Amino acid sequence: QKEVEQNSGPLSVPEGAIASLNCTYSDRVSQSFFWYRQYSGKSPELIMSIYSNGDKEDGRFTAQLNKASQYVSLLIRDSQPSDSATYLCAVNAGGTSYGKLTFGQGTILTVHP
Amino acid sequence: DTGVSQDPRHKITKRGQNVTFRCDPISEHNRLYWYRQTLGQGPEFLTYFQNEAQLEKSRLLSDRFSAERPKGSFSTLEIQRTEQGDSAMYLCASSSDGATKNIQYFGAGTRLSVL
Repeated sequence: QKEVEQNSGPLSVPEGAIASLNCTYSDRVSQSFFWYRQYSGKSPELIMSIYSNGDKEDGRFTAQLNKASQYVSLLIRDSQPSDSATYLCAVNAGGTSYGKLTFGQGTILTVHP
Repeated sequence: DTGVSQDPRHKITKRGQNVTFRCDPISEHNRLYWYRQTLGQGPEFLTYFQNEAQLEKSRLLSDRFSAERPKGSFSTLEIQRTEQGDSAMYLCASSSDGATKNIQYFGAGTRLSVL
């Protein structure tokens, strides 16, 4: 079982719709959770961080965390073609892991006009 | 603050050659990470420095790989006797110890092609 799992997609949504991206993780002691966006050929760019159960909103993005279910999600409202990218879920176990991130394989999102 | 800087951006080498990459972290960040990313996969952790101390290495980091961070500033990643399987994007990230709870910022990466 992979430590961090995402559906690889591609996920295709029409412009203006809500895109929902999901991620599960296996290490129960995980403490910090991140969503990165990566355009083709570019490096990962941080979109959201979340540390506590519940929702965290930033503009059109909402991250949701459920530690009991070991589940993190990212909602993108009013999706735009410029949101088309690979979205990476990353998890930090904390403690002696020294902050290293374990990434999922990424979900490819395509927003079509 | 110019962000995390990596050099070179692209490197093409022949199998068996040695290559060295450089990373300059965000100036106030004391933590520095190296990751490797292959096509269609998420980044995989290679090694971590806190200041000049290398505190963790992945088992992915074979004895052909070595990383240094002299004086706790820039870092170098060297690959000796490169193999075709080393072809990947090598990403450097940095973070601070403070209230940002280990938010890591990535450089543009060095794309290595081993022929």
